[in-house]
Amino acid sequence: AQSVTQLGSHVSVSEGALVLLRCNYSSSVPPYLFWYVQYPNQGLQLLLKYTSAATLVKGINGFEAEFKKSETSFHLTKPSAHMSDAAEYFCAVSEGGTASKLTFGTGTRLQVTL
Amino acid sequence: GAVVSQHPSWVICKSGTSVKIECRSLDFQATTMFWYRQFPKQSLMLMATSNEGSKATYEQGVEKDKFLINHASLTLSTLTVTSAHPEDSSFYICSARDERGTRTQYFGPGTRLLVL
Repeated sequence: AQSVTQLGSHVSVSEGALVLLRCNYSSSVPPYLFWYVQYPNQGLQLLLKYTSAATLVKGINGFEAEFKKSETSFHLTKPSAHMSDAAEYFCAVSEGGTASKLTFGTGTRLQVTL
Repeated sequence: GAVVSQHPSWVICKSGTSVKIECRSLDFQATTMFWYRQFPKQSLMLMATSNEGSKATYEQGVEKDKFLINHASLTLSTLTVTSAHPEDSSFYICSARDERGTRTQYFGPGTRLLVL
């Protein structure tokens, strides 16, 4: 079975500071990993995905994530936070490729302060 | 590209009535769509997998007679909440799998249901 753990349900950073959102996964097969962002009362937008190619994945809005098999991690980072980054972020895993069912983490709410 | 729409965006209904939610893939065909439910400040829980031209596959604990899913075309899946009750109030989100390329799931904007 696959699972995702997101450490920290709430992260607060200052505008311009580094953003680090943590995600650890468990999977019985090589996983496909995703980060999604959700703004209030909206659906999910795909930020980036790891599909067994390059371990450092670059996404939209300046976000990137690095797949580390030894640590079973897929942390999301952004060098400089912007106020518009304030949202809920979900890490998700699927087994058997991107076509399989997604299992989501519990989410991390990112707050960006002035 | 890869846009998914949902209608309605929000709905209020009386207890005991049925509500239909539509999920459409606007610029791609989707043989598979997914329906999720999200409670306030919680993650998404997969309810069912909707397959075009065949019966949906429901997750454990989801009442198939309560949540009717129809996937009649390659761009449309519907979720009908039958005999809705206040505990069915939630945010329902669909996703559609784009069969091209890496077959990524793209999500709709969600439908907020309030049952009075």
